[in-house]
Amino acid sequence: AQSVAQPEDQVNVAEGNPLTVKCTYSVSGNPYLFWYVQYPNRGLQFLLKYITGDNLVKGSYGFEAEFNKSQTSFHLKKPSALVSDSALYFCAVRELGFQKLVFGTGTRLLVSP
Amino acid sequence: DAGITQSPRYKITETGRQVTLMCHQTWSHSYMFWYRQDLGHGLRLIYYSAAADITDKGEVPDGYVVSRSKTENFPLTLESATRSQTSVYFCASSEIGDSVDTQYFGPGTRLTVL
Repeated sequence: AQSVAQPEDQVNVAEGNPLTVKCTYSVSGNPYLFWYVQYPNRGLQFLLKYITGDNLVKGSYGFEAEFNKSQTSFHLKKPSALVSDSALYFCAVRELGFQKLVFGTGTRLLVSP
Repeated sequence: DAGITQSPRYKITETGRQVTLMCHQTWSHSYMFWYRQDLGHGLRLIYYSAAADITDKGEVPDGYVVSRSKTENFPLTLESATRSQTSVYFCASSEIGDSVDTQYFGPGTRLTVL
């Protein structure tokens, strides 16, 4: 069965510093990987996805994610954090042949001024 | 306006009552999904639908019923609400194609069962 783990409930970073939000996955075949962001009282918004190709995927709002097959990881990164990046971030995985996404438990990112 | 909408946005009900949460999308996406969001669990899939009149169970379907008579609507019914169904419910839709797998989410319905 496919699964996703987000080992950190919360990540704290100062504005202007780089940020990383961690995600590891488990699937039996090739994974499709996603990052979504949720702002307070809002639905989830798509940030980026990895299907195939370059291991570094660029997405919305300056975010990027690095796919590492050997470590089964898909960490979300941003070179310089903004206070407005503070939100709840979800990693998700889908396995080829299945339409359903499996989400991680979420990581709250707090960017301090 | 194009997009995915949910109604009501907030609902308070009592144990044992029937409640229906509505979801409407204007993109004519084939797939629609219902999730619940609970602290410590992230999002869990309740039911999903691949097309009109085709539905399937997700991870946590017990206590819920869905229907999809029209492509654009995917209502979720709690036949006899329980306190454990207090949660935030999100509807989503997606299409198979160039933007495969990108799910678009509604704003959510916060349901409280007393």
